Amino acid sequence: RKEVEQDPGPFNVPEGATVAFNCTYSNSASQSFFWYRQDCRKEPKLLMSVYSSGNEDGRFTAQLNRASQYISLLIRDSKLSDSATYLCVVNFYSTLTFGKGTMLLVSP
Amino acid sequence: NAGVTQTPKFQVLKTGQSMTLQCAQDMNHNSMYWYRQDPGMGLRLIYYSASEGTTDKGEVPNGYNVSRLNKREFSLRLESAAPSQTSVYFCASTGTVGAADTQYFGPGTRLTVL
Repeated sequence: RKEVEQDPGPFNVPEGATVAFNCTYSNSASQSFFWYRQDCRKEPKLLMSVYSSGNEDGRFTAQLNRASQYISLLIRDSKLSDSATYLCVVNFYSTLTFGKGTMLLVSP
Repeated sequence: NAGVTQTPKFQVLKTGQSMTLQCAQDMNHNSMYWYRQDPGMGLRLIYYSASEGTTDKGEVPNGYNVSRLNKREFSLRLESAAPSQTSVYFCASTGTVGAADTQYFGPGTRLTVL
C-alpha cells in the first residue's frame, strides 16, 4: 500500500463551484499533515496545515480524520487561479512524504 | 530574505558528463533536502542533511552525491549523468509552521540528459 494516496484527477470544475479532494495515508503514527499547491513547472508551496479539529483559511477548509487515516481539502467558490496540482503531505519525525497530487482545472 | 535559491535553472548535459546543482537557504534552517520530480512519480527524496556535517540517503540516491558545505548550502552532484536522470530537481529546507515542521522549496532545476 502506497504511503500517501491521492486521486490524480484532473478535477474539471466551473468557476464558483465547490470541490473537495481526499488523501489517505498508511502510517497511523504520522504526526502532522499539510496541503501544498504546485503550479505548472513551479515548486510546491505550502497551502495550509491540517489540524485535528479542522481549519479554515478563507475559501479553503482542511480536515483530518485520524481514525480513518484520511485528510481532505475543500475549496469553495473556485477561482481560475485555483487551477493547480494539490499535494497531500504527511510528516513522521520530520520526514515528509508527499502524495503524487490531484490536478484541479477551473474553467470560466 | 530570498528563501531557498537554486542554480542553475536549466541545464542540458550529454551522457557521462558531470555537474553540480547548487542550493542555498537564508532562513537559518538546519535540515535540507534534494528531491527529483518526474511525471506520474511525484516527489522522490534523493538525499537529505539533518544538520551541517551530516548527510543521509533518501529513496533514490544512486548516481548522486551531496555535500553540506555549511549551514546555508547543500549541493547535489551527478558524477556521470545518465538519461534516466532527466528530471526536475528541487532543493528544500525545513522550517516550523505552528508546532510542526514543514518544507520550503527552491524554484527547481530542469535537467535534461541526452
